[in-house]
Amino acid sequence: DTAVSQTPKYLVTQMGNDKSIKCEQNLGHDTMYWYKQDSKKFLKIMFSYNNKELIINETVPNRFSPKSPDKAHLNLHINSLELGDSAVYFCASSPSGVHETQYFGPGTRLLVL
Amino acid sequence: GNSVTQMEGPVTLSEEAFLTINCTYTATGYPSLFWYVQYPGEGLQLLLKATKADDKGSNKGFEATYRKETTSFHLEKGSVQVSDSAVYFCALRPGGTSYGKLTFGQGTILTVHP
Repeated sequence: DTAVSQTPKYLVTQMGNDKSIKCEQNLGHDTMYWYKQDSKKFLKIMFSYNNKELIINETVPNRFSPKSPDKAHLNLHINSLELGDSAVYFCASSPSGVHETQYFGPGTRLLVL
Repeated sequence: GNSVTQMEGPVTLSEEAFLTINCTYTATGYPSLFWYVQYPGEGLQLLLKATKADDKGSNKGFEATYRKETTSFHLEKGSVQVSDSAVYFCALRPGGTSYGKLTFGQGTILTVHP
């Protein structure tokens, strides 16, 4: 059973398009996250939701809009894609708690042409 | 703000060599510290963690000790294998909150040759 799953695994699209990435976790966790990994492997938080409420919103262009229909799902919608959006996007989840571990999905490799 | 600094890579070792990847951090309060590993083409997996000063995390022969006096969490393994080739990330999570973002180091690429 996959704990944190993401779809699609690969996404190749043209500049200006709108695309969505989906994330689901079956761990019963309350908190979910989106991270972006750039071409140099650097990882940075984008958003976090706790029980469907946005709790972390880093400095991310408003073309990126997360949505959490329930606490097991956190989707990422990206409008008007730009070349610089090319990256690997990782979803993660964790229980609530001060020292809890975050569990990561396999990543979605986005390439904008 | 919080930050994590890892030794620059890439690191190339022969099988059975000793591994150290340095990690230092800047944070207020008492963060939790983590090492994650990313194998080629895969997501991140937790390798080990420590939640308070002097704690030692260990897993699969890897160890790291939370040193508050030196603000460090260096990763070590006594004898690496080819299968340890991966990217290693040191990370911290702020203490005192029920949910907190991870701040990652820049990652260290490890290649182990037979």
